[in-house]
Amino acid sequence: QVTLRESGPALVKPTQTLTLTCTFSGFSLSTSGMCVSWVRQPPGKALEWLALIDWDDDKYYSTSLKTRLTISKDTSKNQVVLTMTNMDPVDTATYYCARSTAMVAPFDYWGQGTLVTVSS
Amino acid sequence: EIVMTQSPATLSVSPGERATLSCRASQSVSSNLAWYQQKPGQAPRLLIYGASTRATGIPARFSGSGSGTEFTLTISSLQSEDFAVYYCQQYNNWPQLTFGGGTKVEIK
Repeated sequence: QVTLRESGPALVKPTQTLTLTCTFSGFSLSTSGMCVSWVRQPPGKALEWLALIDWDDDKYYSTSLKTRLTISKDTSKNQVVLTMTNMDPVDTATYYCARSTAMVAPFDYWGQGTLVTVSS
Repeated sequence: EIVMTQSPATLSVSPGERATLSCRASQSVSSNLAWYQQKPGQAPRLLIYGASTRATGIPARFSGSGSGTEFTLTISSLQSEDFAVYYCQQYNNWPQLTFGGGTKVEIK
């Protein structure tokens, strides 16, 4: 049974760095083809893909946000970590992690999401 | 970046009726197109991938069609649990993955 769960702070101040952790089970990120992404959704708005890390530790970022994002994995802990620097109120959103099983594949499993509010 | 445009933004449908949702890509995405359903307070759920293949456990009333730049999600007979927001997503232009703006299916 595949599960993913996001964790991190619910509130961050402007200019701070956000660190989110995705803890997953039911699959291994060392399996060929496996990928974990981060996707966010501002309140009442659409989904936006942020970053992806694959089984081979290759990392990919949204063109518009790549200067602020870092994604990493700890295969032994079944975790993927996303950091986003210089947080702004427009970054207020629910942040999801999601799995895909190949390079060109949809997201078949999602975490329940974690709401991050950016406010002073 | 491939821009995904969904229409209409809101679709009002009576239970038991058919709903047809559209998704257009700014350039060809072949058949690398997925549809997701999202209910309030919940994560998206994969419905359709490869433009027309239902994901595991998805009822047969959901069907997808199209290729290239024009795609359709059809719900043949709307059930109460189908009222939700639906998103399309292209994964052809990997890894720059993009979603549409969503279509809200509401009760008429």
